[in-house]
Amino acid sequence: DARVTQTPRHKVTEMGQEVTMRCQPILGHNTVFWYRQTMMQGLELLAYFRNRAPLDDSGMPKDRFSAEMPDATLATLKIQPSEPRDSAVYFCASGLVLGTGSSGANVLTFGAGSRLTVL
Amino acid sequence: DQQVKQNSPSLSVQEGRISILNCDYTNSMFDYFLWYKKYPAEGPTFLISISSIKDKNEDGRFTVFLNKSAKHLSLHIVPSQPGDSAVYFCAASGNTGRRALTFGSGTRLQVQP
Repeated sequence: DARVTQTPRHKVTEMGQEVTMRCQPILGHNTVFWYRQTMMQGLELLAYFRNRAPLDDSGMPKDRFSAEMPDATLATLKIQPSEPRDSAVYFCASGLVLGTGSSGANVLTFGAGSRLTVL
Repeated sequence: DQQVKQNSPSLSVQEGRISILNCDYTNSMFDYFLWYKKYPAEGPTFLISISSIKDKNEDGRFTVFLNKSAKHLSLHIVPSQPGDSAVYFCAASGNTGRRALTFGSGTRLQVQP
């Protein structure tokens, strides 16, 4: 049963500390997304990779957040320095997109999430 | 500016009755719509989708209706079961080749036994 694996599941840290969240997408998927869930905003898109290249990170605070895909089996989301307002559940999702242009079934598979608490 | 809106934060329905969850969107470039279901401490899971060339898609107890002129879609669950109690997210995908999903804020459905 293919799944997206995220680590850590829970992280409590103090303001100012660096936080790194990791994601192993489903083998063969060529898109990776980072979403953040907050009480007020629902699921917000932070970053989007296709074939390991960043396509959209406009939803991410650039001064403190960074997202990378060192290889096809690993995506990382780093926050440095972390702030209390970053407290949320961060989801990684992967999917398979063939070609470009008109609509297609970009059905994403989500990981279980990383719950971050910044004190 | 929320491009996908779920205006009802919560909904309570009796077991066996119909659940109707609503979603509105503002971006006319969206051409593919999905519903995801989320249980506590788990990631969202895909439920059902519909392309903009259709107005209805059915899968067992779940039916999604799309009204493009009104920029509105709805998810019908018939009959509702206690196991359907979860948060339901509406999502839309744009015709830009990027296909990042834009999500609504979710509706918490509670099905009472």
